[in-house]
Amino acid sequence: NAGVTQTPKFRVLKTGQSMTLLCAQDMNHEYMYWYRQDPGMGLRLIHYSVGEGTTAKGEVPDGYNVSRLKKQNFLLGLESAAPSQTSVYFCASSYSGQVPYEQYFGPGTRLTVT
Amino acid sequence: AQTVTQSQPEMSVQEAETVTLSCTYDTSESDYYLFWYKQPPSRQMILVIRQEAYKQQNATENRFSVNFQKAAKSFSLKISDSQLGDAAMYFCAYRPVSGTYKYIFGTGTRLKVLA
Repeated sequence: NAGVTQTPKFRVLKTGQSMTLLCAQDMNHEYMYWYRQDPGMGLRLIHYSVGEGTTAKGEVPDGYNVSRLKKQNFLLGLESAAPSQTSVYFCASSYSGQVPYEQYFGPGTRLTVT
Repeated sequence: AQTVTQSQPEMSVQEAETVTLSCTYDTSESDYYLFWYKQPPSRQMILVIRQEAYKQQNATENRFSVNFQKAAKSFSLKISDSQLGDAAMYFCAYRPVSGTYKYIFGTGTRLKVLA
C-alpha cells in the first residue's frame, strides 16, 4: 500500500514550457486535491475532484488544468509555466461520505520556473 | 467566508517542556471537523489529531492534545514533553460536514525544539 504518490519529485522549467504532474493513490479514495504551498501562505487549493470524471476549481486555479480520467489518478497540468508558479505542489486524497475524513498527502513536488 | 488563522509564525520550546500552538477559525457552520497536521523537514504532511465539533471532549493522541473552545472558535494544540522530532511546521485545518468538499488551512506555525 503506497498511499499517495507524486511524480516527479523535482522539476525545473523555463518560462512558457508545459508539464504535467501525476498524482496516484491506491486507497480507493473518491476525493482528490491539488494544493500549492508557498512560504507564509500555507496550503492553497488549486483544483479538486470528488470522483472519476469530475473536477472543480479551488482558490487559485488560474494557469492550471486538471483531469481525473481514472479514479486513482489526478493530473495537474501547467500549459505555459510562469515564474509565479514556482512552488511546492501537494496532492491529497480522502474518503468520501458525510464525515470529513482526514486527507492523506503525497510527498510533494518542488517546481522551479526560471 | 470561512477562514483559519494561525497567529504565531514561529514558536520555540525547550526539550521536555510543554508548548501550545494557537489556531482560530471563522465559520457560520455548526457541524465541522478540525485537524492539526505536522510537516517535518521531509515535507511529508502527517495528521496529528482530529476534533469533531459536536464532541465537547477534547481529542488526545499520546503527547498531543487539543483545547477546543467552540464558542470562541479556538482550536489550540498542546504538545507535552516536547522532543527533538517534534520540530516541524504545524498546520491547522477546517472542513465543514456539509456544503463543500474543501479543507481550509492556516498559514502554519514553525516549531523549534531546543536541546
